[in-house]
Amino acid sequence: GESVGLHLPTLSVQEGDNSIINCAYSNSASDYFIWYKQESGKGPQFIIDIRSNMDKRQGQRVTVLLNKTVKHLSLQIAATQPGDSAVYFCAEWAGGTSYGKLTFGQGTILTVHP
Amino acid sequence: ETGVTQTPRHLVMGMTNKKSLKCEQHLGHNAMYWYKQSAKKPLELMFVYSLEERVENNSVPSRFSPECPNSSHLFLHLHTLQPEDSALYLCASSQEEALSTEAFFGQGTRLTVV
Repeated sequence: GESVGLHLPTLSVQEGDNSIINCAYSNSASDYFIWYKQESGKGPQFIIDIRSNMDKRQGQRVTVLLNKTVKHLSLQIAATQPGDSAVYFCAEWAGGTSYGKLTFGQGTILTVHP
Repeated sequence: ETGVTQTPRHLVMGMTNKKSLKCEQHLGHNAMYWYKQSAKKPLELMFVYSLEERVENNSVPSRFSPECPNSSHLFLHLHTLQPEDSALYLCASSQEEALSTEAFFGQGTRLTVV
């Protein structure tokens, strides 16, 4: 079936480095993607989103890249900080509904060392 | 604080108990969701309520019974659960519209079935 998955389940970086978290999706009909951050003991928190008619979107210290040719999504975090340590999920919406029926990937654990 | 509040935060129940999880959103959204998050698994969509009507039920066992009395409140009634139902149960809400399906999550209820 259709799925969203992550290449790397864990990522360790030093404070100040840039982080890149990857996500592969298989549903070519997906037209909206979201990255969520989940800290320990909390629910997922929206970071940034991107629509399929875009290939790049920037936020504060974060950039999402979308490559529809290879069905690949990435989240780049600049100057990673210890507070960025969390599990990061990508989620896709294939449309067909007016409400947000999202399919989530498994998640990548990001650990930032001081 | 995301505007979505879940209670209780933690719940331990026996297999013969009946309990309810509560979710309240203060965002004026018109769609609400229950997700299940188990260890090492992607978030699994359980139920979707759109305009207070259940529009999705993803093959969830009948021992889970949702209720949406109004657009701000969502309940998940639990009875005769199994130990494998132990998980983090997340509530989310969103506003139905064509351009954005970002879901805002609550902190979750950590459920342990003994």
